[in-house]
Amino acid sequence: GDSVTQMEGPVTLSEEAFLTINCTYTATGYPSLFWYVQYPGEGLQLLLKATKADDKGSNKGFEATYRKETTSFHLEKGSVQVSDSAVYFCALPETHDMRFGAGTRLTVKP
Amino acid sequence: GAVVSQHPSWVICKSGTSVKIECRSLDFQATTMFWYRQFPKQSLMLMATSNEGSKATYEQGVEKDKFLINHASLTLSTLTVTSAHPEDSSFYICSALQVQGFYGYTFGSGTRLTVV
Repeated sequence: GDSVTQMEGPVTLSEEAFLTINCTYTATGYPSLFWYVQYPGEGLQLLLKATKADDKGSNKGFEATYRKETTSFHLEKGSVQVSDSAVYFCALPETHDMRFGAGTRLTVKP
Repeated sequence: GAVVSQHPSWVICKSGTSVKIECRSLDFQATTMFWYRQFPKQSLMLMATSNEGSKATYEQGVEKDKFLINHASLTLSTLTVTSAHPEDSSFYICSALQVQGFYGYTFGSGTRLTVV
């Protein structure tokens, strides 16, 4: 079945550093792709999404581009903040549910 | 936008007791809801798919008699952890599938269950 693979963490960065979290997918078609964020002690929140190839999803300074040539949907942010510390999940929808990557824990230090 | 309310946000219970977790879609109807479990520092694991008016579909390895799911209305699904044990302690998250308007999945805020 379809699946996503994302880089394992943890990732520790200093404030204002550039962030990349890699995500690649395996799918028979061209599913929508999502990034979710989970802040400490909270549930998941949709961060951004892209519904077709070459689409760029963006939110809160984060961006991810749906690239079918490399089957990737890497998450990037130019300048991270302490408040971005969280776990980030790449995901794609299966027929009846969502498939998640393992999650990448990001810690941003002041 | 679509909102899913999950309650309680945290609960502590004694071994052997049962705990019910509610998942409500507040401003849309959800014929399908999903229950996930998250172990510390791990990804979400789908436990079961809850369909309104019918029996839930459980993933392999999930005990359906232990994790009772009821989806009695288009806005409410419940997960009951029966005869809880410390190893059931975990973070449980529900999500609801909205198929009208915005098509996507909206997640509840999660329930942290601690069994002592």
